[in-house]
Amino acid sequence: AQRVTQPEKLLSVFKGAPVELKCNYSYSGSPELFWYVQYSRQRLQLLLRHISRESIKGFTADLNKGETSFHLKKPFAQEEDSAMYYCAAGGKLIFGQGTELSVKP
Amino acid sequence: DVKVTQSSRYLVKRTGEKVFLECVQDMDHENMFWYRQDPGLGLRLIYFSYDVKMKEKGDIPEGYSVSREKKERFSLILESASTNQTSMYLCASNGETGSAGELFFGEGSRLTVL
Repeated sequence: AQRVTQPEKLLSVFKGAPVELKCNYSYSGSPELFWYVQYSRQRLQLLLRHISRESIKGFTADLNKGETSFHLKKPFAQEEDSAMYYCAAGGKLIFGQGTELSVKP
Repeated sequence: DVKVTQSSRYLVKRTGEKVFLECVQDMDHENMFWYRQDPGLGLRLIYFSYDVKMKEKGDIPEGYSVSREKKERFSLILESASTNQTSMYLCASNGETGSAGELFFGEGSRLTVL
């Protein structure tokens, strides 16, 4: 079955610490992969997609086809990064369960 | 900017009532989607549509139906609401052919079924 797994429900770090939000996928073929973010009281929006290979707001995501992972990383977390993050895969987008990131001052 | 508008932000309905959730997008997108968002479960796809009058089931279509009579509008219908349909419902659209691509989401409709 096609599935996206985010093993952490909540990730809490201090400002300035590195952050890694984990995402593993089980999908036939080579799906498109995305990270979406939802800040408090805002709508869900695209953060980045693997084909663009961009760094958005200091975040990057590395696709590891061997481990079927697409982890989201940022070297120095900021308080404004606190939000709900969703990994998604495929043509009609299967989403993971979401990870709430809390960055403490 | 793409705008996806969900007409009802908050609804409270009784078990057995018929519920309509409306979604309109203003960017001439072919693809529209309905998800429900639940804590710990993430987003789950209910139905999607690649064209007018066309619909396909997602992962959890039971208890729901949809209507797409015009390109810009995609409605989600709960024929007989039940308490387990209490949730946040998100509508999304995108204009990329053959791919979900970047989805543009509405603000959500929070439905409570008593």
